[in-house]
Amino acid sequence: AQKITQTQPGMFVQEKEAVTLDCTYDTSDPSYGLFWYKQPSSGEMIFLIYQGSYDQQNATEGRYSLNFQKARKSANLVISASQLGDSAMYFCAMRERGGGADGLTFGKGTHLIIQP
Amino acid sequence: SQTIHQWPATLVQPVGSPLSLECTVEGTSNPNLYWYRQAAGRGLQLLFYSVGIGQISSEVPQNLSASRPQDRQFILSSKKLLLSDSGFYLCAWSTGQFDGEKLFFGSGTQLSVL
Repeated sequence: AQKITQTQPGMFVQEKEAVTLDCTYDTSDPSYGLFWYKQPSSGEMIFLIYQGSYDQQNATEGRYSLNFQKARKSANLVISASQLGDSAMYFCAMRERGGGADGLTFGKGTHLIIQP
Repeated sequence: SQTIHQWPATLVQPVGSPLSLECTVEGTSNPNLYWYRQAAGRGLQLLFYSVGIGQISSEVPQNLSASRPQDRQFILSSKKLLLSDSGFYLCAWSTGQFDGEKLFFGSGTQLSVL
């Protein structure tokens, strides 16, 4: 079973609108971390935001916020006031504490296109 | 500050040829190191990770191998490339601490096997 599911392969959004990118995860580990990365066409992976499983409040970083709904195992990324430069692939990822040092598990990504 | 270098940026290799991709990290010591592969339009698949010199863990059986000859050097290799080895390869590092631990990625290598 997939541990990270991103159900939106692609999205078109009008500039300045808010965007919500969906992410659901599957784990039985009580301690885990959730991450969002942005990958522009250049290929680099840019860290956006992190949410720990025990964090009481939703994480925010500038225009990015993470809508964390633990009971639903959901960690949606919200981008406020979208800009043309937000066009990119977006990946949701998870790390489980019981997973040791074996890095992050990534979803398949959402291709976001911001239209002027 | 820490930086990660990965090269080459692009590589075109014939089937059956060897491969060597190199990754180095600066500004930190004893990092965890990772090799990921991204097929076209897909997510990232973890290939190898290392928690120390000479310590390599493989996540999937494949035609590739990894080595860590020095603390901040991670090498991805193959003796004979297959067509299916084509993809975008990313090296990454982390501090090894769990809480909030994110991966820092290199700029990637686009490998085309023809």
